Amino acid sequence: EVQLVQSGAEVKKPGESLKISCKGSGYSFTSYWIGWVRQMPGKGLEWMGIIYPGDSDTRYSPSFQGQVTISADKSISTAYLQWSSLKASDTAMYYCVRGDSSGFTNWFDPWGQGTLVTVSS
Amino acid sequence: SSELTQDPAVSVALGQTVRITCQGDSLRSYYASWYQQKPGQAPVLVIYGKNNRPSGIPDRFSGSSSGNTASLTITGAQAEDEADYYCNSRDSSGNLWVFGGGTKLTVL
Repeated sequence: EVQLVQSGAEVKKPGESLKISCKGSGYSFTSYWIGWVRQMPGKGLEWMGIIYPGDSDTRYSPSFQGQVTISADKSISTAYLQWSSLKASDTAMYYCVRGDSSGFTNWFDPWGQGTLVTVSS
Repeated sequence: SSELTQDPAVSVALGQTVRITCQGDSLRSYYASWYQQKPGQAPVLVIYGKNNRPSGIPDRFSGSSSGNTASLTITGAQAEDEADYYCNSRDSSGNLWVFGGGTKLTVL
């Protein structure tokens, strides 16, 4: 079974750093993209960025460029999303998702269970 | 603002057919994929490519595309189809991805 398992919920203070993880299993981790998606409370899905663990090709949405860092350790089939200095506005659910893109077709499946990040003083 | 535009809300009578649309310039070059999200749950892929359903997705879900518009059609909507639906595709540069703003589907 293809699966993405994310790290647990986090409660942090503004200014703190954070790194959350997403472990893939049941497939070749280096052959698919891993994307990160933000969902703020009561809002829609926002595509943050993506990494291809096979060659570390990493791309960011302009809205998130410079705000977060996406990385991956293919030796343990795990992708990461990190912040160096959290803000209250980073409070959201964060999903990782496996992606494939060939020709004109793109899809994201499966999705991790989500990691809830709460930033509050 | 998103490069993919969806109607915020759509309603359908139980058993009837509903079409949810997604507009954007990149859809002239790339297919959309569609995701269903129920409250408190992670999104689920329901349609991708020209008109492909992942395993386990009922065949009442179908996809189509014309010009700059992609559509998700539910033929014979069921109560359990009430959810938020999001489209996704490449952005206008072709190097990134973007979601539509989402459509809340109500089954009456």
